[in-house]
Formats: sequence, C-alpha cells, structure tokens
Amino acid sequence: EAGVVQSPRYKIIEKKQPVAFWCNPISGHNTLYWYRQNLGQGPELLIRYENEEAVDDSQLPKDRFSAERLKGVDSTLKIQPAELGDSAVYLCASSGQGTTEAFFGQGTRLTVV
Amino acid sequence: GDSVTQMEGPVTLSEEAFLTINCTYTATGYPSLFWYVQYPGEGLQLLLKATKADDKGSNKGFEATYRKETTSFHLEKGSVQVSDSAVYFCSMNSGYSTLTFGKGTMLLVSP
Repeated sequence: EAGVVQSPRYKIIEKKQPVAFWCNPISGHNTLYWYRQNLGQGPELLIRYENEEAVDDSQLPKDRFSAERLKGVDSTLKIQPAELGDSAVYLCASSGQGTTEAFFGQGTRLTVV
Repeated sequence: GDSVTQMEGPVTLSEEAFLTINCTYTATGYPSLFWYVQYPGEGLQLLLKATKADDKGSNKGFEATYRKETTSFHLEKGSVQVSDSAVYFCSMNSGYSTLTFGKGTMLLVSP
C-alpha cells in the first residue's frame, strides 16, 4: 500500500512569492492534516479535513495561507505571499475512519530567502 | 489545554546501552498515546501506540506503558543500536482527531 505522498520535497523561494504544496493521502483515508514543523520543534497543526470539509483551521494564518481538498482526496496548501518566517517543513498526514493514529508523508522543506 | 512534555535532548548513548526518554501529558479525558520517530530528512513514522491505561505499546525493541496515574508514557529500549539515532516525538490524540506533539528528543548512539 502506498503511503502519504507529498511534493515537492524541497522548495526555495524569495520572500513575497507564492508557493504551493501537494499531498495525496493513503487511499481510503477520510482525514487529512497539514502540519508545520519548525526547526527543532514538534509538528503543529495548520488544518484538518474530514473528507472535503475543513473541520479545524483555527491555527491556519488565513491572511496568507489557504488550503483545499477537492473531492475529498488530495490536497493543496498555498502560501501567498511567503515571508521569511514561513521557512519550515510542511507535513501532510492522513488517518482512517475510527482510528487515532496518523500516517505522515516525507514533508516539503520550504526555505524563504 | 492539551499538551505533551518530553525530556530535552540530545540524549547521547553508546551502542547496547539502555534508553529511557520521558514523556508526560496533560489532557482532558483519556487520550491515545503515541511515539513517532523521525530520521534525518524524513517524515514521522509511527513507532508504537497505546490507547488505554496500562496498555503497553511495543515495536522494534522499543516499549512504552500508558500510566494514567502519573500521566506518563516513557519510551524505553534495552539495547540501542547506531541505527536508532533519530528524533523521537511523544504525542497524543485526546479524541478530537488531532495529534498534539512534544518538542522531540534527539537520540545519538555511538559505536
């Protein structure tokens, strides 16, 4: 079974530019998460989807971040415009219905210069 | 609110040494507890889990027991290997389907 797939693995952009990350969860997993992991820290939730509905986006900086999960499968996270402080690893995870653990992709390392 | 506290690293050990990484949590209700491991440049991999009090999760020689009375979930391994060098994250899910993570503990094992 394929795991959670993210792309790209690495991205370097100049500040004020837009950037987008893509995630394909494990097949059949209804719940999809985007986490941000700053250097030396644990992951922090940005947004959680149940199917195509965003059920927890309280930590998403909505002035510059947006996300979508069309058709309740893959998802895109966008930042526009990027700031230096957005440099981090962006992790996507998914979990199946009725389960409590999440399975993570390899992450996208974003560097804003 | 919900939180996870784990010991700061790095933890530096020689191969075959005994490992303990402490983890305590604060939660309303009875969360599920997890240990994840992150190798350099990789995402997080689920190492083990426990879903109720006194459960013991185990995998690859690692163990952790869910202690409700002390709100703890300490990770242990009897004999570490160089290949165990990684960052270990304690986490919990308090029933709202979102994992809360500790800050991570780096383990460095030397030959």
